[in-house]
Amino acid sequence: EPEVTQTPSHQVTQMGQEVILRCVPISNHLYFYWYRQILGQKVEFLVSFYNNEISEKSEIFDDQFSVERPDGSNFTLKIRSTKLEDSAMYFCASSWGTLTTGELFFGEGSRLTVL
Amino acid sequence: KNEVEQSPQNLTAQEGEFITINCSYSVGISALHWLQQHPGGGIVSLFMLSSGKKKHGRLIATINIQEKHSSLHITASHPRDSAVYICAVGGGAGATNKLIFGTGTLLAVQP
Repeated sequence: EPEVTQTPSHQVTQMGQEVILRCVPISNHLYFYWYRQILGQKVEFLVSFYNNEISEKSEIFDDQFSVERPDGSNFTLKIRSTKLEDSAMYFCASSWGTLTTGELFFGEGSRLTVL
Repeated sequence: KNEVEQSPQNLTAQEGEFITINCSYSVGISALHWLQQHPGGGIVSLFMLSSGKKKHGRLIATINIQEKHSSLHITASHPRDSAVYICAVGGGAGATNKLIFGTGTLLAVQP
């Protein structure tokens, strides 16, 4: 069964460092998402991506964050200068349709620890 | 006030029991998703609803758009159903691809 894969599964970094989280969505999917979950808290929407551009972003997704689809398969989340409060599990998800028409498929998550 | 409220927050059941988890939301939506989060953290989509009722195996999900309420039912519960169940709503005006998540319901099914 096709799946969304994320790397790394866990990354530890120093505050101020840049981090890139990678995702390989399911191949025929058109909509891509990043979510984050701080330990013990609910999942939060970060950004949605369609047709090679951001379609929506949350207030959390400020200038330190960026997303790219550098080739036909990868979807990356870059955090430019990490802060302690960026420590969280980051989930990538993809879907062939919108939230109304397409089931969401999630990756297993990338745990980011900022020291 | 949270835009998506789930109840109960925690639920312990005996194997075989019928389980109901509720979700109420305060925003306009076009779709509601029920998700399951395993102890290891991975998230699996269970249902996507915009109206009515859906059934998949022992799971049933219903939504009442007028009352802004959805329920997830598990029949003949089993210990492997133990997980966090999350309600997420989205597709409202001005937020067509944004999901708003509830805090989740932690379900423990004891043998």
